[in-house]
Amino acid sequence: SQTIHQWPATLVQPVGSPLSLECTVEGTSNPNLYWYRQAAGRGLQLLFYSVGIGQISSEVPQNLSASRPQDRQFILSSKKLLLSDSGFYLCAWSLSVNLIQYFGAGTRLSVL
Amino acid sequence: QQQVKQSPQSLIVQKGGISIINCAYENTAFDYFPWYQQFPGKGPALLIAIRPDVSEKKEGRFTISFNKSAKQFSLHIMDSQPGDSATYFCAATYYGGSQGNLIFGKGTKLSVKP
Repeated sequence: SQTIHQWPATLVQPVGSPLSLECTVEGTSNPNLYWYRQAAGRGLQLLFYSVGIGQISSEVPQNLSASRPQDRQFILSSKKLLLSDSGFYLCAWSLSVNLIQYFGAGTRLSVL
Repeated sequence: QQQVKQSPQSLIVQKGGISIINCAYENTAFDYFPWYQQFPGKGPALLIAIRPDVSEKKEGRFTISFNKSAKQFSLHIMDSQPGDSATYFCAATYYGGSQGNLIFGKGTKLSVKP
């Protein structure tokens, strides 16, 4: 069966520090991968999606970047965190032939 | 055009009652409408989904009603239970679209009182 792992679960970082959040999927090949940010009362905002290794599409211009160095690995990064980067970050995957997205457990990021 | 509007933002229902959450969309190309359930501190999980070729889909106590002409769809939770307390998101997308990217509503926080 397929599983998605996201870590860390919580993270507290100072303003201006770098960020690296990792997501991996097991049990499937060539998944579509997604990064979302969820702010309180504002729903799910799609940040990046990827249909293959090295292929990244950005939905919202911002202080963040994403990379997909391996087929089932998706990384969310920032060189310098802003206060506004605080939020709940979710990774998700889907099969290219299926629109169902499966979410990880999320990372709660607090930028202080 | 790409928005999905969800209401209400929050909902309080007594145990055993019916919870109703509504969503509206504008893009007539949308042809897949899932609902996700999210418990605090967890990622959303697919609850139920519908395609516009049917007007209703039922899975246990959860029912999606779909009105294509009005471009609206709703989630009904019958016999609501305290364990149903969660945030619910409707979403929309279309086959053949931008890599299956889901457009989410802003969510409804449901509280079921015992």
